[in-house]
Amino acid sequence: EPEVTQTPSHQVTQMGQEVILRCVPISNHLYFYWYRQILGQKVEFLVSFYNNEISEKSEIFDDQFSVERPDGSNFTLKIRSTKLEDSAMYFCASSGTSGRSTGELFFGEGSRLTVL
Amino acid sequence: AQSVTQLGSHVSVSEGALVLLRCNYSSSVPPYLFWYVQYPNQGLQLLLKYTTGATLVKGINGFEAEFKKSETSFHLTKPSAHMSDAAEYFCAVRGGSARQLTFGSGTQLTVLP
Repeated sequence: EPEVTQTPSHQVTQMGQEVILRCVPISNHLYFYWYRQILGQKVEFLVSFYNNEISEKSEIFDDQFSVERPDGSNFTLKIRSTKLEDSAMYFCASSGTSGRSTGELFFGEGSRLTVL
Repeated sequence: AQSVTQLGSHVSVSEGALVLLRCNYSSSVPPYLFWYVQYPNQGLQLLLKYTTGATLVKGINGFEAEFKKSETSFHLTKPSAHMSDAAEYFCAVRGGSARQLTFGSGTQLTVLP
């Protein structure tokens, strides 16, 4: 069964360092997303990406964040200068095909980011 | 804009008892509604979804949910809880042209032996 894969599963970094989280969405999907979940809190939308550009973003997704689809398979989230409050589980998701979409998102297992 | 409210951040039931997890939504357009489950240290797995048509939807692991437009609710039920159902459950809504989901704050389900 196709799945969304994320790397790394866990990353520890020092405050101020740049971090790149990587995702391989399901191959025929067209829409890609990043969500985050701070420990014990709700899953929060960060950004959606379609046709090589950002289609929606939340107020959390400020200038410290960027997304990229550098090739035909990977989808990355970059945090330029990490802060303590960026510590969270980051989930990548994908949805949609060229045909009719039922709207569900398929999530990866997550990348846990710990900022020290 | 859409929003989701899950009543009860923690629910405990005995094994074999009815599971009822509550979800109310707000949406200015006809919504798509979802329930996801998250087991410890894992990602989000789709349990079931409502898009259009039949308002009672069945999902995996014996769960079902009923869309009630008049009550703006989409409560999740399972007739008989199993120990393996212990997890966190998230209700989510998608509405209008937005493709992203808006999640509720989650309900941690504990199943007691």
